[in-house]
Amino acid sequence: ELKVEQNPLFLSMQEGKNYTIYCNYSTTSDRLYWYRQDPGKSLESLFVLLSNGAVKQEGRLMASLDTKARLSTLHITAAVHDLSATYFCAVAYTGTASKLTFGTGTRLQVTL
Amino acid sequence: NAGVTQTPKFRVLKTGQSMTLLCAQDMNHEYMYWYRQDPGMGLRLIHYSVGEGTTAKGEVPDGYNVSRLKKQNFLLGLESAAPSQTSVYFCATLRVVDHGYTFGSGTRLTVV
Repeated sequence: ELKVEQNPLFLSMQEGKNYTIYCNYSTTSDRLYWYRQDPGKSLESLFVLLSNGAVKQEGRLMASLDTKARLSTLHITAAVHDLSATYFCAVAYTGTASKLTFGTGTRLQVTL
Repeated sequence: NAGVTQTPKFRVLKTGQSMTLLCAQDMNHEYMYWYRQDPGMGLRLIHYSVGEGTTAKGEVPDGYNVSRLKKQNFLLGLESAAPSQTSVYFCATLRVVDHGYTFGSGTRLTVV
């Protein structure tokens, strides 16, 4: 059974600080996703990571994937209040109908 | 081009009532999924479909049924609603060409 663990579950950080969210998964997968969700809204796709060593960056967010360690990180650089949201990682495997298995999410609160 | 449309957006049911949630897509995607989201638990897969006429159980299928009679529609049914089914339900489709998922805006269901 594929399990996806995120930590921390809650993160309060000051504007301008850096931090990293971690996502561990338990079995083989061939894709890892990061999503953002604002309260009462749907999921917004941030990154799709397809291969070992993949790194993607968009603005103040950077995601990386280490398939050997079954670990992905989402690094936040110089946080701003607008980044406050819940962030989910999810993994999928083509061999299982590409079903997404989600982590429990990390609620990020950036304080002024 | 609406993408993924979920109806209704909100619903309150009494225990024991039945209802059907509709997910409609105009992107000709084969793969469709129903998830539920509960506070602090991330999204969990209820049922999924890999093509017209096919459905399969996900992680938490009990109490739900689905049908995919037409490629563009994926219906989720609750035969006898229970308070434990109070949740936010999301439909998603998979864009195979780039492994991207498109999520609907969600249906917020309360069972009293």
